[in-house]
Amino acid sequence: DTEVTQTPKHLVMGMTNKKSLKCEQHMGHRAMYWYKQKAKKPPELMFVYSYEKLSINESVPSRFSPECPNSSLLNLHLHALQPEDSALYLCASSQPGLAGDYNEQFFGPGTRLTVL
Amino acid sequence: KQEVTQIPAALSVPEGENLVLNCSFTDSAIYNLQWFRQDPGKGLTSLLLIQSSQREQTSGRLNASLDKSSGRSTLYIAASQPGDSATYLCAVRPRKGSGSRLTFGEGTQLTVNP
Repeated sequence: DTEVTQTPKHLVMGMTNKKSLKCEQHMGHRAMYWYKQKAKKPPELMFVYSYEKLSINESVPSRFSPECPNSSLLNLHLHALQPEDSALYLCASSQPGLAGDYNEQFFGPGTRLTVL
Repeated sequence: KQEVTQIPAALSVPEGENLVLNCSFTDSAIYNLQWFRQDPGKGLTSLLLIQSSQREQTSGRLNASLDKSSGRSTLYIAASQPGDSATYLCAVRPRKGSGSRLTFGEGTQLTVNP
């Protein structure tokens, strides 16, 4: 099973709402990622979890809060977002290598987020 | 800082044509390079992964090559089909032990006309 699933597919929220994006993989990967992608641009890395610990935060505003409850699940909690946060949010996973390197990344289908 | 460039930005070809997509990167100290396909509004699908020690990888009608010393990779698509229409992204991973960040190119938007 080489699938990464994300829910919901679409999300519309107001600037005062609190919502969460969910990601799940069952490939046994121990590295999971959140990316943000704007139209006609490549994905931008937001967070990396390695062995359930946050290893990279690319200076993301605190209105985005990641959580990795276990090795298969990754959440992104959203609060007080701005309209410019509207984008496609992608989750990915990979298997860390033996010497701190990382292997092929597999991406989920994404959540299309619209902030009104 | 690693920079990845993809040329051309857009390409339109008739069905059946063989084509080459180009990817260049400024820092040759990479661990591997990954080619992805993205359909509009969808996630990324991994096509091929080439390790820095490899020269090429093949999967069906796709062949990716890597010349690390010159900072170049190409994705060759044989006998293109309308279903190949998508944006193709290349991404490089820094050398071993330097973390998991992928640096993406801006992509090539491919249209294959029936």
